[in-house]
Parts: sequence; C-alpha cells; structure tokens
Amino acid sequence: DQQVKQNSPSLSVQEGRISILNCDYTNSMFDYFLWYKKYPAEGPTFLISISSIKDKNEDGRFTVFLNKSAKHLSLHIVPSQPGDSAVYFCAARHAGGTSYGKLTFGQGTILTVHP
Amino acid sequence: DTGVSQNPRHKITKRGQNVTFRCDPISEHNRLYWYRQTLGQGPEFLTYFQNEAQLEKSRLLSDRFSAERPKGSFSTLEIQRTEQGDSAMYLCASSRVPDPYNSPLHFGNGTRLTVT
Repeated sequence: DQQVKQNSPSLSVQEGRISILNCDYTNSMFDYFLWYKKYPAEGPTFLISISSIKDKNEDGRFTVFLNKSAKHLSLHIVPSQPGDSAVYFCAARHAGGTSYGKLTFGQGTILTVHP
Repeated sequence: DTGVSQNPRHKITKRGQNVTFRCDPISEHNRLYWYRQTLGQGPEFLTYFQNEAQLEKSRLLSDRFSAERPKGSFSTLEIQRTEQGDSAMYLCASSRVPDPYNSPLHFGNGTRLTVT
C-alpha cells in the first residue's frame, strides 16, 4: 500500500512564479514530514521539514504547510528559480516501534522552472 | 566532507552474478538505512541497522538480498544471483537516534546497478 502519495508526476512553472507541490498520506502514526530534492545521479538532499504538531514551517523561499485533518502537505517555492528544477520527494517519518525514524517516500514530482 | 559515502558509484553485471555494495555512514551516526530507487518511483525502504543490529527488513526484500553492518560502522549490501529486475539505484542513508533536533536522514549518492 502506498502510504505517501504524490499525485502529480510533473510540474512546470515560469521563473519568478510560485511552485506548489502536493503530498497526501494515509498513516496517522507519522510524526514528521520532510521534503527532499534530488538531481540525477545524486542522492536525495534534505530541503525542509515540519513536525506533525505544526501547520507551517518556512525557510527562505521554501514553505511547507501541513493539514493534519486532510492528511495533506504542500511545499511552496516562491519565487521559483531555474536552479530549483529537480525531482522533489515528500517523505514521512514513522513515529514509533521498530520502524521509528524510518522514512516512507512518495513517488516524486519533477519540477521544471523555465527562464 | 564527512557525508555518507557509497561505493561503487556504478556497477554493471550479468544476470546471475553476485554483487556487493558498500556504505560508509557519517561517523557519529548509529542508524544506517538501505533504500532502492527505480525510475519514476521514490526511494523504497529495504532494511536498516541500529549499530550492528539489523532491526527491520522490508517484506518485499527477496532472500537473495543480504545486508551486514559487522562493527556498527560501514555496511554492505549483497545481491546474489542478480536478475534484470534488480537494476536500480541503491541508496544508503544514516542518522543518529535519539536526536533532540530531529535531524533528517542524510543520503549518499547511491550505487547505480545495471543487470544485463
């Protein structure tokens, strides 16, 4: 079962505009949510995270919003830059038991920012 | 830079051969994870260690796969009798628990396996 889903395989935006990437999850036991960015032939690099007890976290051009009741989170990038073009993965951290700390990932969204 | 290091970066092998990958985590990290990523998918959990103990294995993991972390430092992932479906990027990540700062998993650059 896909516990973390990113339903948009790709997103294309113009430079300077806002990019919004979405993610849905099903497991109420996740306690932390993260966004990773990945370039080809490299491993994922951490971008921003949010605790399940918060609804917003901001870091520069990146803001993550969490709606627990809807089991939905989103990543906003504003303004978008061509260097933001990459694959973005949403990930959720397991809260307890032997799986504590393990991340479950979504399928990824390819973001392309056009100059 | 003392990030997560994976070797080799690329491996091409013929079907039926055995392959072994190595991961050196960040030195103070006691947790080490292996993930696999195929095209168009997100990283898929395979297994993880806390120190030298293997605490969880994915039920999707074939018994052709085995991982070790003998001294709680580096880890190896072996695939026996490789199949074309094993072609993927194999990612290693590390972290420290407990961690009051909720630091994220740190990933290496992966080993790209191609089975011909």
